[in-house]
Amino acid sequence: ETGVTQTPRHLVMGMTNKKSLKCEQHLGHNAMYWYKQSAKKPLELMFVYSLEERVENNSVPSRFSPECPNSSHLFLHLHTLQPEDSALYLCASSPSPGRGAFFGQGTRLTVV
Amino acid sequence: AQSVSQHNHHVILSEAASLELGCNYSYGGTVNLFWYVQYPGQHLQLLLKYFSGDPLVKGIKGFEAEFIKSKFSFNLRKPSVQWSDTAEYFCAVTSSGNTGKLIFGQGTTLQVKP
Repeated sequence: ETGVTQTPRHLVMGMTNKKSLKCEQHLGHNAMYWYKQSAKKPLELMFVYSLEERVENNSVPSRFSPECPNSSHLFLHLHTLQPEDSALYLCASSPSPGRGAFFGQGTRLTVV
Repeated sequence: AQSVSQHNHHVILSEAASLELGCNYSYGGTVNLFWYVQYPGQHLQLLLKYFSGDPLVKGIKGFEAEFIKSKFSFNLRKPSVQWSDTAEYFCAVTSSGNTGKLIFGQGTTLQVKP
């Protein structure tokens, strides 16, 4: 248990569906992140939020849309995904920049 | 741009063997360094971290790492591995400023044979 909770743990969706991934932390952290973990590739940073403001967007396609309504919650809205988007999506939070991150267990996404 | 390179992609050891996993990074400024472990089916967990001070840092489960600034390296070591150490290991680096984003290496899969 890391204090970072992601739901759902598994998601199968069609290419025309719209779904959302949820991340929640009650650690009092100020920064939250979305990472993508694909087989045989390094973890790829997707988005960074600091104090609820998006501070980084790593050239992620617009079919991924993040939302951070408050410092404890982070969403990743998905629409018209492609099969190559199938991966493990990890949420993380950090008490302050540069101090490392605590990761959730991830959402295993399969796009069919 | 920052990058992290892990030299060993797949390591197979017998129990009680010694372990050293290589990690090199490229960044000219002040960095913070981390090793994370991901056991099968589990989340990423922090093994150890280096911010400043003694370059030899000790982490959980008997792991340690040494920061060698001149070599831009942060290698992970364990004197005697156990079957339960079977996992994937990730080296990561972040700068202390801005967003503090973690840049990860490709990961090393460690398989320990009983």
